[in-house]
Amino acid sequence: GQNIDQPTEMTATEGAIVQINCTYQTSGFNGLFWYQQHAGEAPTFLSYNVLDGLEEKGRFSSFLSRSKGYSYLLLKELQMKDSASYLCAGLDSNYQLIWGAGTKLIIKP
Amino acid sequence: IAGITQAPTSQILAAGRRMTLRCTQDMRHNAMYWYRQDLGLGLRLIHYSNTAGTTGKGEVPDGYSVSRANTDDFPLTLASAVPSQTSVYFCASSGGGSYNEQFFGPGTRLTVL
Repeated sequence: GQNIDQPTEMTATEGAIVQINCTYQTSGFNGLFWYQQHAGEAPTFLSYNVLDGLEEKGRFSSFLSRSKGYSYLLLKELQMKDSASYLCAGLDSNYQLIWGAGTKLIIKP
Repeated sequence: IAGITQAPTSQILAAGRRMTLRCTQDMRHNAMYWYRQDLGLGLRLIHYSNTAGTTGKGEVPDGYSVSRANTDDFPLTLASAVPSQTSVYFCASSGGGSYNEQFFGPGTRLTVL
């Protein structure tokens, strides 16, 4: 079966660094997406990885290991506005996204 | 219009009633999708359309139907609503981003009583 696993909730302090992990099992693999979703709003695209390694984009970075079926999203210099849910999604062989339930990130001052 | 719009924003519906959720995009994206999002669960795909004139079933299609008469519009119909269809519904489209990423509408919050 297809499955995406990520922690339900994480707490971090403003200004700190947090890493949100995601493991995936998909029928075929065509990439791994991370989305951000603020409460009551739509998901918005953060990053895409299809090759192994780290992709850096400002304060946010995303890592992929295809052999381990593993990805993480790294958020640096946390700001209060980063309080949101972070959704991991794998693109399967039919180019359909399989979504995790999301990780709710709580930032404390 | 800029991006994807959905209507209505929210709706309370009596069980057994018919309801159509509207979705319109102005980005000329080929692919469109309907998801439902429930607490504790990931986004689940209901139906999708890879291009105008074609549709396909997703993970949870039962009780829902879609049509894709043109590129811009992708309505979702609940023929006879049931309480288990209470959810937040998101429409999305893809085909224009750098990574073919999906762009989401603001969502429709539907309550079936």
